Amino acid sequence: SAVISQKPSRDICQRGTSLTIQCQVDSQVTMMFWYRQQPGQSLTLIATANQGSEATYESGFVIDKFPISRPNLTFSTLTVSNMSPEDSSIYLCSVEAPGQVFDEQYFGPGTRLTVT
Amino acid sequence: TQLLEQSPQFLSIQEGENLTVYCNSSSVFSSLQWYRQEPGEGPVLLVTVVTGGEVKKLKRLTFQFGDARKDSSLHITAAQPGDTGLYLCAGPSRSASKIIFGSGTRLSIRP
Repeated sequence: SAVISQKPSRDICQRGTSLTIQCQVDSQVTMMFWYRQQPGQSLTLIATANQGSEATYESGFVIDKFPISRPNLTFSTLTVSNMSPEDSSIYLCSVEAPGQVFDEQYFGPGTRLTVT
Repeated sequence: TQLLEQSPQFLSIQEGENLTVYCNSSSVFSSLQWYRQEPGEGPVLLVTVVTGGEVKKLKRLTFQFGDARKDSSLHITAAQPGDTGLYLCAGPSRSASKIIFGSGTRLSIRP
């Protein structure tokens, strides 16, 4: 299993500013994932972050808007740059780690971002 | 493109009633997972089904994987207010090391 913490848990930001979200895992993991979840919606994958290489972004997401760092096997950050109200969402960090039978995906509690 | 569609999108029922949530795709998945997400938290894995036709039970929750591995269902017996949450099915992508999430079912159980 894996225990994941995220900071901050929530924030209210002004448009045009940037926010960096931190994700800390209690064990070393190869792959970390960043998701966006808009109110009442399912999860949308933003990017996959492997330690020592550039993040792989999904269609519709770009590095200039969502730069990601992965300095070691237990930590990652996601920055939401030049924010607009459309970026208001929950941002979730996730890792893949061994479960009881299969590899499982574990999620952090999320960061609730409101852009005004 | 592998897509997972869930139905219904919303469901509000009385405590004690039974319900079924569906997860459908036109693609075959090697496995499917079900997650539950409560407000202010991340999704938590409930179960993984791997074999076509497989049925797994978790207390009052029964999960089934379709014979063709293109669909799955979640049945809750005698729903309780603690079952309230967002239920998500998910499956591994064929083309990349990532998980594809379904559209979600928001369940509300009234006391």
